[in-house]
Amino acid sequence: KNEVEQSPQNLTAQEGEFITINCSYSVGISALHWLQQHPGGGIVSLFMLSSGKKKHGRLIATINIQEKHSSLHITASHPRDSAVYICAAAPSRNSGGSNYKLTFGKGTLLTVNP
Amino acid sequence: KAGVTQTPRYLIKTRGQQVTLSCSPISGHRSVSWYQQTPGQGLQFLFEYFSETQRNKGNFPGRFSGRQFSNSRSEMNVSTLELGDSALYLCASSLARGAYVSVEQFFGPGTRLTVL
Repeated sequence: KNEVEQSPQNLTAQEGEFITINCSYSVGISALHWLQQHPGGGIVSLFMLSSGKKKHGRLIATINIQEKHSSLHITASHPRDSAVYICAAAPSRNSGGSNYKLTFGKGTLLTVNP
Repeated sequence: KAGVTQTPRYLIKTRGQQVTLSCSPISGHRSVSWYQQTPGQGLQFLFEYFSETQRNKGNFPGRFSGRQFSNSRSEMNVSTLELGDSALYLCASSLARGAYVSVEQFFGPGTRLTVL
């Protein structure tokens, strides 16, 4: 079983829809990262969070440390949001890792149709 | 500020050869991490360097190695290439503080390596 699980693997939405991507992890973490990867490979860091909620434009990320679960929400989705979204866990010191030894989910391929 | 740059962007090698990839971090960033991305395994952590020292290593064979120079630029080397080494190799830089302090990582565009 992967230490970081994402769902769904694939998601197709119509422009304007509210999108939710989920990430569950099994290790203790110091932070949870959400990344966006467009075709061609470039990766952009969207959020890094260790508690609560963060918002940037139409993107919202939440994390529940007790339940070891994080969600990425996209409001009013747009075709330019089409990309692979990846969550990555930075294990805590107690879990035997360091902030830099990220463990990644398999990614969620989001397609937003006009 | 210029972003993270990686060279070359594309590379084709044959089995048994070796390859060196280069990564220049954002100015002022002292930590460089390397990742391998394949369709089957997804993204996997290779290693992380800080102040010319390897601070963390992932579960990869010894054929994968790296180093960091005094200007924080980093190289990774893969010797005796195998078909399975075909992948996108990404590096990321960050304003490193302690190894256990969470910081944002900034990714480069990657080097796509094809092994024939």
